[in-house]
Amino acid sequence: QSVLTQPPSASGTPGQRVTISCSGSSSNIGSNAVNWYQQLPGTAPKLLIYSNNQRPSGVPDRFSGSKSGTSASLAISGLQSEDEADYYCAAWDDSLDVVFGGGTKLTVL
Amino acid sequence: EVQLVESGGGLVKPGGSLRLSCAASGFTFSSYSMNWVRQAPGKGLEWVSSISSSNSYIYYADSVKGRFTISRDNAKNSLYLQMNSLRAEDTAVYYCARDRTAMVTSVWDYWGQGTLVTVSS
Repeated sequence: QSVLTQPPSASGTPGQRVTISCSGSSSNIGSNAVNWYQQLPGTAPKLLIYSNNQRPSGVPDRFSGSKSGTSASLAISGLQSEDEADYYCAAWDDSLDVVFGGGTKLTVL
Repeated sequence: EVQLVESGGGLVKPGGSLRLSCAASGFTFSSYSMNWVRQAPGKGLEWVSSISSSNSYIYYADSVKGRFTISRDNAKNSLYLQMNSLRAEDTAVYYCARDRTAMVTSVWDYWGQGTLVTVSS
């Protein structure tokens, strides 16, 4: 059972906009920044969004993040086939742990 | 080019020990916090442990506290994870990941390819 709650799956067609939610509590998302990781099949995770809405260099601006209260969202616009991957949200918890969501498997139909 | 290369994984019996290593190159290792994150087969990511750039701050997940020890040798550009009293539920791919800063955060901008640890009799 993950501390942060994500939908197990999401899907969309090429060109569509898809959002993935991440729900937490006052001790993690409510008081700390949220980061998102993308894991393509068979590869190591990759930092996608940090500090709620910041993109590392090289990440397309099709990817965006937001946070409100104890929830966060990852949005992917102009969906492409190469976006098919698992997506994880993560945040520090005030108990001095890093907590993850269970991951969302994105399928591009 | 930043590179993180894990080693030391393998098959170990329950109750046994293993020491993972992560060799870093392409950046000033002593300026960054480092982390271990694991992923059980077919499961999600789980944070294991973090260590700040100067060893001042060390954190562990409750699931490994008292059994695992994280350490680093800045002179050798290496990160380690000593794993004792291993259990079946410790079976996972273990990733070494670099923090974006000297302080411990959950922002990991470079990852190794992972090393598989299997705990089984």
